[in-house]
Amino acid sequence: DTEVTQTPKHLVMGMTNKKSLKCEQHMGHRAMYWYKQKAKKPPELMFVYSYEKLSINESVPSRFSPECPNSSLLNLHLHALQPEDSALYLCASSRTQGTSGYEQYFGPGTRLTVT
Amino acid sequence: GQQVMQIPQYQHVQEGEDFTTYCNSSTTLSNIQWYKQRPGGHPVFLIQLVKSGEVKKQKRLTFQFGEAKKNSSLHITATQTTDVGTYFCAGPTGRRALTFGSGTRLQVQP
Repeated sequence: DTEVTQTPKHLVMGMTNKKSLKCEQHMGHRAMYWYKQKAKKPPELMFVYSYEKLSINESVPSRFSPECPNSSLLNLHLHALQPEDSALYLCASSRTQGTSGYEQYFGPGTRLTVT
Repeated sequence: GQQVMQIPQYQHVQEGEDFTTYCNSSTTLSNIQWYKQRPGGHPVFLIQLVKSGEVKKQKRLTFQFGEAKKNSSLHITATQTTDVGTYFCAGPTGRRALTFGSGTRLQVQP
């Protein structure tokens, strides 16, 4: 199974809402990633988890809160978002996080609209 | 910080024509990866290059890593409508993550 799943596919939320994005993989990968992608732009790294510990936080605002409950699951908790946070949120996983450059497998993404 | 640029930003070709996208890094890379993202889709891994001067082929796609390991290219021979999408190169940063290039969007006219 080389699939990364993400739910929901689409999400519309108001600026005062709290919601969560979910990501799951069953490839035994020990590195998981959250990316944000705006239209016609490359994916921008937000967070990296390695062996269920937060390894990288790319200075993401605290209204985005990641969580890695176990090696297969990755969540992104959203609170008090701004309209400019509307984007495609991509989850990815790789065998490990390392300079040897393991390929990343991406999920289909959650299309988030903040109203 | 590290920057990875790609040119062109956009290319429109007639089906059957060749296409090339170029990737340039501001720093030397230990490896480079290429991904393809179809319209409305997510990035899909195509290939990884590790050695200086390495050339790899996948059917009509030819990938090259520069001698100085600061640039790379992807060449598609005889494009097909299935090649439509955005092609990203990506290189590892010093903090063991990937930096994606700016991407080249390919449109193929049937």
